[in-house]
Amino acid sequence: DVKVTQSSRYLVKRTGEKVFLECVQDMDHENMFWYRQDPGLGLRLIYFSYDVKMKEKGDIPEGYSVSREKKERFSLILESASTNQTSMYLCASTLDRVDYGYTFGSGTRLTVV
Amino acid sequence: AQKITQTQPGMFVQEKEAVTLDCTYDTSDQSYGLFWYKQPSSGEMIFLIYQGSYDEQNATEGRYSLNFQKARKSANLVISASQLGDSAMYFCAMRVRKGNTPLVFGKGTRLSVIA
Repeated sequence: DVKVTQSSRYLVKRTGEKVFLECVQDMDHENMFWYRQDPGLGLRLIYFSYDVKMKEKGDIPEGYSVSREKKERFSLILESASTNQTSMYLCASTLDRVDYGYTFGSGTRLTVV
Repeated sequence: AQKITQTQPGMFVQEKEAVTLDCTYDTSDQSYGLFWYKQPSSGEMIFLIYQGSYDEQNATEGRYSLNFQKARKSANLVISASQLGDSAMYFCAMRVRKGNTPLVFGKGTRLSVIA
């Protein structure tokens, strides 16, 4: 069964910590994405990548960075976690086709205290 | 830029009845795809249905159908014979036919099915 795997389902971190959220897909998809989801705001795009070592800013990249060293892995990094980064983080991947939707991971609920 | 608008933050429907979730979109591109996703309380995002901008017929997948009105730029999701398990958040999304453009999502509609 093809899938996108996020390394943690729940995560609690302290303010100021460096946080790594990992995402791995086994479908050989070119494109990978990181979204955050907050009540009433829907899904907001943080960063995406359409190839290894390539990255593009989404709508809300501030406070985040990403890394894509291998095609199957896309990491989201919170350089210095803050309480306003408490959220649900969703990773997704897809082929470069307009008729192909995303396959999502199960999400990481991050709490920064 | 693309935009998706879902005007219903929350809706209730009686079990076994049909329900329509509204979605309007805005794009200047002629070639695009429209998607609906379901998100139960578990948090996973589940793909439901897809409609291409050049598809002449409305898409259907089991109890889900997409009422596509291109001139009005609307892509409403119709769920027939609602079940308790349909209670979830529903997101409308679109993607244009340009290389590597991300899906743009609406803010979602929370559907509650009442027994």
